[in-house]
Amino acid sequence: GAGVSQTPSNKVTEKGKYVELRCDPISGHTALYWYRQSLGQGPEFLIYFQGTGAADDSGLPNDRFFAVRPEGSVSTLKIQRTERGDSAVYLCASTKKGISYGYTFGSGTRLTVV
Amino acid sequence: GENVEQHPSTLSVQEGDSAVIKCTYSDSASNYFPWYKQELGKRPQLIIDIRSNVGEKKDQRIAVTLNKTAKHFSLHITETQPEDSAVYFCAASQGGSEKLVFGKGTKLTVNP
Repeated sequence: GAGVSQTPSNKVTEKGKYVELRCDPISGHTALYWYRQSLGQGPEFLIYFQGTGAADDSGLPNDRFFAVRPEGSVSTLKIQRTERGDSAVYLCASTKKGISYGYTFGSGTRLTVV
Repeated sequence: GENVEQHPSTLSVQEGDSAVIKCTYSDSASNYFPWYKQELGKRPQLIIDIRSNVGEKKDQRIAVTLNKTAKHFSLHITETQPEDSAVYFCAASQGGSEKLVFGKGTKLTVNP
C-alpha cells in the first residue's frame, strides 16, 4: 500500500481483556517496528522485526505483550490481561531494510483501557 | 542504554524568526539521528536525519548539526511559518541496534 496502515484506529477495552492491534507495512518493507507513545511523551520502542523473526523484543514491558509477523508482512501486537497503564497510542513503522532508511510511521492505534 | 535529552520543551517564535531545538545523547556508539514532526493527532513524520559521519545537513529551511565529541545535535528552522507549528522529536539510534530512543519533544508555536 501507499503507507503504513494500522487498525483499529481506536480501541476501548475493559481492564483484564485481551486486545490485538494490526499493522500493515508498506509493500516490500522488510523491517517493521512497534512503538508506544504515551500522552506528552516521545515514542518508546517495543519490538523490531526483520522479515518474520523478532530481531529485538527488548522493549516489550512484560510477558503480557507479544507480537507476531508470520509471513513477513502484516504484524499483530497482542496484549493480554490489559491494565489501565497500557493506555497509549501504539505506533507501527516500517523501513525498506533498516533504521538508516528512515521510519515511515502509521497513524497509530489509540488504546484506552477502562 | 541510550538516553536522549531535548530542550526546550516549549518554544514560541514570531513568524519569520528562526527556531533552534537541541538534543544531547549518551551512547557514543549511536550513529543515526533523525528528527520527526508530529502535528496534533497525527503520525510522526521524518523531516530530516543525519548520520554520524556528517557534521551538518540542510534541506531548504531546515538544517541539522551534529557534534559527536560533545554528543549533541540540533535542529534549525529558518524563516518559520505558522504551518511549522507542531511537536518536534529528536531521536538517536541505540548503538549497533535498530532501536530509536526519542527525546520528550518540543512544542513549537509560530505566531503569525
